[in-house]
Amino acid sequence: DQQVKQNSPSLSVQEGRISILNCDYTNSMFDYFLWYKKYPAEGPTFLISISSIKDKNEDGRFTVFLNKSAKHLSLHIVPSQPGDSAVYFCAASAVRGAQKLVFGQGTRLTINP
Amino acid sequence: DTAVSQTPKYLVTQMGNDKSIKCEQNLGHDTMYWYKQDSKKFLKIMFSYNNKELIINETVPNRFSPKSPDKAHLNLHINSLELGDSAVYFCASSPGTSGVETQYFGPGTRLLVL
Repeated sequence: DQQVKQNSPSLSVQEGRISILNCDYTNSMFDYFLWYKKYPAEGPTFLISISSIKDKNEDGRFTVFLNKSAKHLSLHIVPSQPGDSAVYFCAASAVRGAQKLVFGQGTRLTINP
Repeated sequence: DTAVSQTPKYLVTQMGNDKSIKCEQNLGHDTMYWYKQDSKKFLKIMFSYNNKELIINETVPNRFSPKSPDKAHLNLHINSLELGDSAVYFCASSPGTSGVETQYFGPGTRLLVL
C-alpha cells in the first residue's frame, strides 16, 4: 500500500516554462514533506521541504505548495532550465515519529531546449 | 570530498552467495539508513541506526543484517542472495532522528543477482 504516490512517471517541459510536479499522500499522520532530485547514477539530493503548518515554501526557482485537505503537494519550477532534467521524488514523514521517509516512485522531468 | 560514500558501486553475483555493501559518512551525523530502490523505482527504508543503535527495522528478511561499527559507518551484509534482491541500495545519513531532518544520500550500489 503506497502512502505517497506520484502518478506521473514522466513530464516534458520546454526550457523557460513552468514545470509542475505533483504528489499525493494517504497517511494523515504525515506532517513534513520533502522533494528530492536525482540524476542518473547518483543518490537523491535534497531540494526543498515544507511543514504542514505552512501551505507554501519558496527557494529561488523552486516552490512547494501543500494542500492538506486534499493531501496533495506540488513542486513548481520556474523558469525551467536544462539542468533541471532529473527524476524528482516526493517524500513524507511524521515529525513525532521515527525519522522514516516514505518516498513516491518519482517523476522523470525532461526540459527541452 | 564525498559526504556519503558507498562501496562497491556495482555488484554482480550468483544466487546463494553472501555479499556486503559498505557505507561511510564524513558529515558527523548520528543517524544512518539503508534504503532499497526496487524495479518499480520506489525507495523504501530498510534499516536505521542512531549512534550504532538500531532504531528502525522494517519488514526485511533476516538474510539482511546491518552492522554499525561506529556512527560514521553502516554496512549491509546479505546472506544467501536471491534474484529478488537485485536492486539499487542507497545509504543515507542525517544529523539526528527527528522527522524534520534532511537525509543525505550516497550514490547507490547496484546489485544484480544472477
